[in-house]
Amino acid sequence: GQQLNQSPQSMFIQEGEDVSMNCTSSSIFNTWLWYKQEPGEGPVLLIALYKAGELTSNGRLTAQFGITRKDSFLNISASIPSDVGIYFCAGRLGTSYGKLTFGQGTILTVHP
Amino acid sequence: GAVVSQHPSWVICKSGTSVKIECRSLDFQATTMFWYRQFPKQSLMLMATSNEGSKATYEQGVEKDKFLINHASLTLSTLTVTSAHPEDSSFYICSAPSGERDQPQHFGDGTRLSIL
Repeated sequence: GQQLNQSPQSMFIQEGEDVSMNCTSSSIFNTWLWYKQEPGEGPVLLIALYKAGELTSNGRLTAQFGITRKDSFLNISASIPSDVGIYFCAGRLGTSYGKLTFGQGTILTVHP
Repeated sequence: GAVVSQHPSWVICKSGTSVKIECRSLDFQATTMFWYRQFPKQSLMLMATSNEGSKATYEQGVEKDKFLINHASLTLSTLTVTSAHPEDSSFYICSAPSGERDQPQHFGDGTRLSIL
């Protein structure tokens, strides 16, 4: 089945630094999604990407859908302590009601 | 906006007990819902796809007799962990696709299951 490789697994950064994480897939997706999850809660959508090559921003977050449709990255600029959490990429192939395949997650720690 | 409500949020029970978790779509109809399992600091692993009015579709390696799924209405899916054991302790999360471009799936807040 489809697999997503997300890296890095964890990051320890200082407040104000920029962050970059990415996901690669063994096969193509037609939707890439980026989520953030905090302890004891469900994932919260950050950015949705629907077209190869698409670059989308949401505040300090920027994500891109790779041209090959097999990869995506998420950048966070000028990190702040509340950015702490686990970030997941997710890919979907098929209809808008289709299932998601999640990456392994990136644990982000921001030191004040 | 659309919301998915999951209940209970936390349950602790003895080994051998069966536990039911509910997932409700509050202001939209969901013919499909997804059930995930998540261990600490790990990813969400899809367990099964719940289909209203028909049998659930289980992912490879998930025991359908262990994890019973019922999707009897367009707003409710339930996951029952039968004869739970400590190794079943995990965080269970449901989601429902909304068909909305800006919010592809709505996730519940999860259920923390602890089996003693």
